[in-house]
Amino acid sequence: NAGVTQTPKFQVLKTGQSMTLQCAQDMNHEYMSWYRQDPGMGLRLIHYSVGAGITDQGEVPNGYNVSRSTTEDFPLRLLSAAPSQTSVYFCASSSGQMGQETQYFGPGTRLLVL
Amino acid sequence: DAKTTQPTSMDCAEGRAANLPCNHSTISGNEYVYWYRQIHSQGPQYIIHGLKNNETNEMASLIITEDRKSSTLILPHATLRDTAVYYCIVRVWTAGNMLTFGGGTRLMVKP
Repeated sequence: NAGVTQTPKFQVLKTGQSMTLQCAQDMNHEYMSWYRQDPGMGLRLIHYSVGAGITDQGEVPNGYNVSRSTTEDFPLRLLSAAPSQTSVYFCASSSGQMGQETQYFGPGTRLLVL
Repeated sequence: DAKTTQPTSMDCAEGRAANLPCNHSTISGNEYVYWYRQIHSQGPQYIIHGLKNNETNEMASLIITEDRKSSTLILPHATLRDTAVYYCIVRVWTAGNMLTFGGGTRLMVKP
C-alpha cells in the first residue's frame, strides 16, 4: 500500500492564481480530511469528508473548496490564492471504525503564494 | 474538545526514557487522550491513545492519572529518531476522528 499520497510536493503561486492540491489513499478509508500548518504552529482542519459525495467544513474553510467523487481521492482547490494561504498542507485518511482511530497523514504539500 | 497544556520543549538523553506530560483538567468522561508526533515537517504520525486505563504499544506507553486530568507519554528508550514535536489531543471519539492540534512539545533527544 502506498498509504496517503499528495501532489505536488512544492508549489509557488502568484496572488490570484488558482490550483488544486491532489490527495489519494489506497486503504479504502471512508474518512478524509485536509489540514494546513503554518510555520511553528499546529495543524488546523480545513475541510473533511465522511464518504464519497459528502463533505463538510472544518476550522478554517474560507478560500478553499473540496469535492469527493470517489473513495480514493479528495482534492483541495484554492480558488484565488492569497499570501495568507502560504502554508504546508496535509491530507489525512482514517477508517472511521471504533477501535481503529489512527489517522494516516500524507507527506504534505508546501505552498508559497507570492 | 478539552483544552490541553504541554511544555513547549523538552530534552532527553539518548537511551533514557522520555516522559512527556499533558494537562487536560477539563476533560469529560467520554473524551479520549490521543498522542501524535511530527518529525521535521513530515505528516503527523499516530502513537497511542487511551480513555481511562494505561496503554502500551510497540512505540510508547500512556499513563493516565486516576482523575484523568493529566497524562504522560513515555518513550522507554529514546533514540535520535524520536526527536519530534509531540501533540497531546483530547476529544470525544468520532468516526473519522478529525483532530485539533495545538502547539505540542518539541522533544530533542541528545547523544
